[in-house]
Amino acid sequence: RKEVEQDPGPFNVPEGATVAFNCTYSNSASQSFFWYRQDCRKEPKLLMSVYSSGNEDGRFTAQLNRASQYISLLIRDSKLSDSATYLCVVNKDNDMRFGAGTRLTVKP
Amino acid sequence: EAGVTQFPSHSVIEKGQTVTLRCDPISGHDNLYWYRRVMGKEIKFLLHFVKESKQDESGMPNNRFLAERTGGTYSTLKVQPAELEDSGVYFCASSQLGPANYGYTFGSGTRLTVV
Repeated sequence: RKEVEQDPGPFNVPEGATVAFNCTYSNSASQSFFWYRQDCRKEPKLLMSVYSSGNEDGRFTAQLNRASQYISLLIRDSKLSDSATYLCVVNKDNDMRFGAGTRLTVKP
Repeated sequence: EAGVTQFPSHSVIEKGQTVTLRCDPISGHDNLYWYRRVMGKEIKFLLHFVKESKQDESGMPNNRFLAERTGGTYSTLKVQPAELEDSGVYFCASSQLGPANYGYTFGSGTRLTVV
């Protein structure tokens, strides 16, 4: 079993749609969690941290369920510029483990 | 503030040759990490420096890979001799305190192709 698992997609959605990505992790001792965004042939960039209470940043909402070892990212009102690969990242003791990413394409 | 800088951005070498990748972290960042992404796979950890010391090198695939960080500033990752399966994108990242709360900043990567 992979340490961090994500549905690879692709997710193809129209502009304005709401889309959700899920991620599961295997190490119950994981300490912190992140969503990164990676554009084609670019480096990953931090999108947002994920907190136990859930957190929101504009159109983006992240949720964490420690009991189920599950993380989610919700994007509302999708924009064309949201097209990218979204990476779920899990940290324990400064050892970051990456999911393979979920590819999103937002179409006009 | 300058970001994490990596060079070269691309490198194409023949199997058996040597390649050295360089990473300049954000100034003042003690933590420096090397990661690699091979085609179709997830980004995988290679090693972690704290200043000039190797904190964790458990991800280094084999002894053909040698990383150094003399003086605790920039780091190099040498692959010698390169094999076809070493092809991929090598990312460097740095952080001040470790990624526990804030994640970290990646460089734009070096795309290595071994032919």
